[in-house]
Amino acid sequence: AQTVTQSQPEMSVQEAETVTLSCTYDTSESNYYLFWYKQPPSRQMILVIRQEAYKQQNATENRFSVNFQKAAKSFSLKISDSQLGDTAMYFCAFNGNNDMRFGAGTRLTVKP
Amino acid sequence: DSGVTQTPKHLITATGQRVTLRCSPRSGDLSVYWYQQSLDQGLQFLIHYYNGEERAKGNILERFSAQQFPDLHSELNLSSLELGDSALYFCASSVDRGPETQYFGPGTRLLVL
Repeated sequence: AQTVTQSQPEMSVQEAETVTLSCTYDTSESNYYLFWYKQPPSRQMILVIRQEAYKQQNATENRFSVNFQKAAKSFSLKISDSQLGDTAMYFCAFNGNNDMRFGAGTRLTVKP
Repeated sequence: DSGVTQTPKHLITATGQRVTLRCSPRSGDLSVYWYQQSLDQGLQFLIHYYNGEERAKGNILERFSAQQFPDLHSELNLSSLELGDSALYFCASSVDRGPETQYFGPGTRLLVL
């Protein structure tokens, strides 16, 4: 079964600084997607970024980028120029064959 | 706005009761997924429907059931409710049935008293 591990329950960063959130996963599948979702206090689940496993190039969305290490089964999220609005829970997720698995989440606080 | 709608937004009920949560997927999406998120917990996958047919089951209790209708909206039925069923229930949708992006609705907050 697929498992997703986020080893950092809480993190904080100063506004305008850079922070990296870690995620590892375990799977025997070859075709899968990886995601980072953000859940602000409103508890809406917002897609931040996605990575297809067959793509070697790391995905980037504005201030958000990932470091995808397929052999190591690692998928970290880098947030550059952190903003107060980035304060939220961040969930790493694995989507293989019809089964999306989420990590336990990392609570990120951006401090002014 | 993801394009996925869920009703109601909030629901307060008593133990032993039955409730129905409704989800309308994004236009064109054939897959609907249901998730449960208890307080300060991660998301637990409950069930997946694709074009009206059940595709996968996760940690869904026997007291819970779901279906997807011909117009592709889905309902999650929760019966014999217990205090521990209090949670945020999300619906998500995607275009197809394989590994791809799922877009989440705003969720239904269920409180069982």
